[in-house]
Amino acid sequence: DAGVIQSPRHEVTEMGQEVTLRCKPISGHNSLFWYRQTMMRGLELLIYFNNNVPIDDSGMPEDRFSAKMPNASFSTLKIQPSEPRDSAVYFCASSSDRIGTEAFFGQGTRLTVV
Amino acid sequence: RKEVEQDPGPFNVPEGATVAFNCTYSNSASQSFFWYRQDCRKEPKLLMSVYSSGNEDGRFTAQLNRASQYISLLIRDSKLSDSATYLCVVLLNQAGTALIFGKGTTLSVSS
Repeated sequence: DAGVIQSPRHEVTEMGQEVTLRCKPISGHNSLFWYRQTMMRGLELLIYFNNNVPIDDSGMPEDRFSAKMPNASFSTLKIQPSEPRDSAVYFCASSSDRIGTEAFFGQGTRLTVV
Repeated sequence: RKEVEQDPGPFNVPEGATVAFNCTYSNSASQSFFWYRQDCRKEPKLLMSVYSSGNEDGRFTAQLNRASQYISLLIRDSKLSDSATYLCVVLLNQAGTALIFGKGTTLSVSS
């Protein structure tokens, strides 16, 4: 398996633009997570899905952020409109449903909003 | 109070040193515990799980104290390649729940 695949790897955009981040989880994994990492706040959970259903989105900063998982092999995180404070590394991770199992991370998308 | 708290460091140690990291968690219902390692500009990767009885993997030893809600990681005979950020991670013991990460402790091993 290729692991968790995220795209793009890097994104530079202007304030106010829409940004869409993409993730393909590992095949067979039932849980998918979106995290955001900054120096100040560390690795923060934004939202996670189980069997394609959003379980907890309490970490989503505000209404500008939205996430979807239309099927078991694809998820998106959208920011509209983007702001400079959204600049961070966004990680997608997936895991199986077995309790205590490891989560595998994608390589992340480094987002810069100017 | 943060769910998972760690001393951010940095810990600067010479090669061959023994170094210990500590972590506390706030939710007493947490049942699974891990240490992840993150290299600079890379994604986090599982280093080891932490079991109630404690566990060892080569130079690495992890301990769990449920009464104090405390987790530790001991690295013996530090190598240059151990330089990284070590993330303490907890999980509520329910299927479909998310890993909660500490902010990490940075280790720098020098020659």
